[in-house]
Amino acid sequence: TQLLEQSPQFLSIQEGENLTVYCNSSSVFSSLQWYRQEPGEGPVLLVTVVTGGEVKKLKRLTFQFGDARKDSSLHITAAQPGDTGLYLCAGGSYKYIFGTGTRLKVLA
Amino acid sequence: GAVVSQHPSRVICKSGTSVKIECRSLDFQATTMFWYRQFPKQSLMLMATSNEGSKATYEQGVEKDKFLINHASLTLSTLTVTSAHPEDSSFYICSAARTESNYGYTFGSGTRLTVV
Repeated sequence: TQLLEQSPQFLSIQEGENLTVYCNSSSVFSSLQWYRQEPGEGPVLLVTVVTGGEVKKLKRLTFQFGDARKDSSLHITAAQPGDTGLYLCAGGSYKYIFGTGTRLKVLA
Repeated sequence: GAVVSQHPSRVICKSGTSVKIECRSLDFQATTMFWYRQFPKQSLMLMATSNEGSKATYEQGVEKDKFLINHASLTLSTLTVTSAHPEDSSFYICSAARTESNYGYTFGSGTRLTVV
């Protein structure tokens, strides 16, 4: 059974700080996606990483896919209150499984 | 593009009644849709895979007779929670992918079901 463990589970930081969220598995994934979900809404896709070692940037967000395609990380630079939300990694070739989630709160 | 509409967004029903939730892909065709369940402050758990024109595939532990899924067209899948009980109260979310796409799925905005 494929599992995706995220760490940390919860993160509360001040505006302007940097942070990294990790998504780890013992299984190899053909691709991994990162989503952000706000309360009462469905997840919104942020990025898809496909190639081992790949790094993608989306404004202040940097995503990395591990060389072995078993893990990924999301780094946020100079976090803002608008970054607050539940961050989820997901993977799978057909049906996705979701990571355990990281709840981020950025304080003004 | 790639918009998925889910309806209703909120529903309150009495214990023992059935509730139908619709998931529509508005601007693309989706041969496959997925239904997830999310409890407060938890991640999404896949319930079933809905395939157009065929029976849904349920994940282990999900009662297929309780959660009826119908995918009658390339743009519509429905989830019916039958004989609902308070423990069925949850946030239900559907997702769909373009038939030709291999990158990520688009999610509906979710349905908050409360069974009283």
